[in-house]
Amino acid sequence: EAGVAQSPRYKIIEKRQSVAFWCNPISGHATLYWYQQILGQGPKLLIQFQNNGVVDDSQLPKDRFSAERLKGVDSTLKIQPAKLEDSAVYLCASSLMVGQGEQYFGPGTRLTVT
Amino acid sequence: AQKITQTQPGMFVQEKEAVTLDCTYDTSDQSYGLFWYKQPSSGEMIFLIYQGSYDEQNATEGRYSLNFQKARKSANLVISASQLGDSAMYFCAMRGPGDNFNKFYFGSGTKLNVKP
Repeated sequence: EAGVAQSPRYKIIEKRQSVAFWCNPISGHATLYWYQQILGQGPKLLIQFQNNGVVDDSQLPKDRFSAERLKGVDSTLKIQPAKLEDSAVYLCASSLMVGQGEQYFGPGTRLTVT
Repeated sequence: AQKITQTQPGMFVQEKEAVTLDCTYDTSDQSYGLFWYKQPSSGEMIFLIYQGSYDEQNATEGRYSLNFQKARKSANLVISASQLGDSAMYFCAMRGPGDNFNKFYFGSGTKLNVKP
């Protein structure tokens, strides 16, 4: 069974530029999560999808972050414009259903904003 | 409010010995789930073990066991017979509680170093 795929693995941009991350969850997993993990901290949930609907985006900085999961499969997270404090690893995870089972994580995208 | 607390930023253990990583959680609800994840230097989060709040038996998965003490609100991870490959960050997480069953809360992690 293929795991959660993410790309790119690494990205370096200058502040005020835009960037997009892509995630393809495990086949059949209805729930998809995007996390931000700042160095030395645990992951912080940014947004959660159930199929193509948003379940929770309470911690997503909506003035600069956006995410979509149009067909209920893969997802894109965008930052525009980026700030220095957005430097972090962005992790995508998926699970079968909301509130059920463990989450499976992708390898993450390490973003550096200079 | 902090839901998950991991008080050990770093731990050392000798290879082949057992080690306990501490985790306490904060909730007044009865329904929740507790998880442990391992994060090697490569960055990927690897699921290790799960304990449901209503599970009466402590969860075990190979060399991993979860010491669940509900009254103390603790869910410590025990790794038996440590191996060099166990060196990594370890995160405790809680799903829920109650109506927030779709939310996951992660602790700040414990960095485990296994010495040869």
